[in-house]
Amino acid sequence: EVQLVQSGAEVKKPGESLKISCKGSGYTFTKYWIGWVRQIPGKGLELMGIIYPGDSDTRYSPSFQGQVTISADKSINTAYLQWNSLKASDSAMYYCARPPFDNGWYWFDPWGQGTLVTVSS
Amino acid sequence: QSALTQPASVSGSPGQSITISCTGTSSDVGVYNYVSWYQQHPGKAPKLMIYDVTNRPSGVSNRFSGSKSGNTASLTISGLQAEDEADYYCSSKRSSTVVFGGGTKLTVL
Repeated sequence: EVQLVQSGAEVKKPGESLKISCKGSGYTFTKYWIGWVRQIPGKGLELMGIIYPGDSDTRYSPSFQGQVTISADKSINTAYLQWNSLKASDSAMYYCARPPFDNGWYWFDPWGQGTLVTVSS
Repeated sequence: QSALTQPASVSGSPGQSITISCTGTSSDVGVYNYVSWYQQHPGKAPKLMIYDVTNRPSGVSNRFSGSKSGNTASLTISGLQAEDEADYYCSSKRSSTVVFGGGTKLTVL
């Protein structure tokens, strides 16, 4: 069974750094893109960026370029989403998701269970 | 403001059919056939229901169908069931990214 398991909820202060993770299992990790999607409570979905763990090809959506860093460690089948200096506006649920096919990244399924990030002083 | 426009809410009675629209532009929905629909129940992760405008992933009920005309895509759910009550999001490829709609809350009366 294909699964994406994310790290647990985080509570941080503004200005702090954070790295959350997404571990893939049940498939060849290096052959599928992984995307990170933000969902502000009560709001819609936003694709932040995607990474191809096979060669670390990473693409950011324009709104998130320079705001976060996406990486992957293929030796442990894990993708990461990182902030250097959090803001209150980064408070949201963050999902990782994988395309159902290995020939693109325009659709996502399955999804991880989500990591809730709360940034508050 | 979301990149794709969806109605905030729709409703229907059990057994009825409903359609949710998703309006984009000639830079996304109008030019690519990479339109997808997701179902999200409260507190859960989204689930892919339709991809490439009309295709259903394995395991998704054939009560769900998708279509597209010009810059507008649509999701139709026939034979509404109580379990269909959820938020629905459309998405489309746009240049080097994917954009989503703001979501539609489906209420089964």
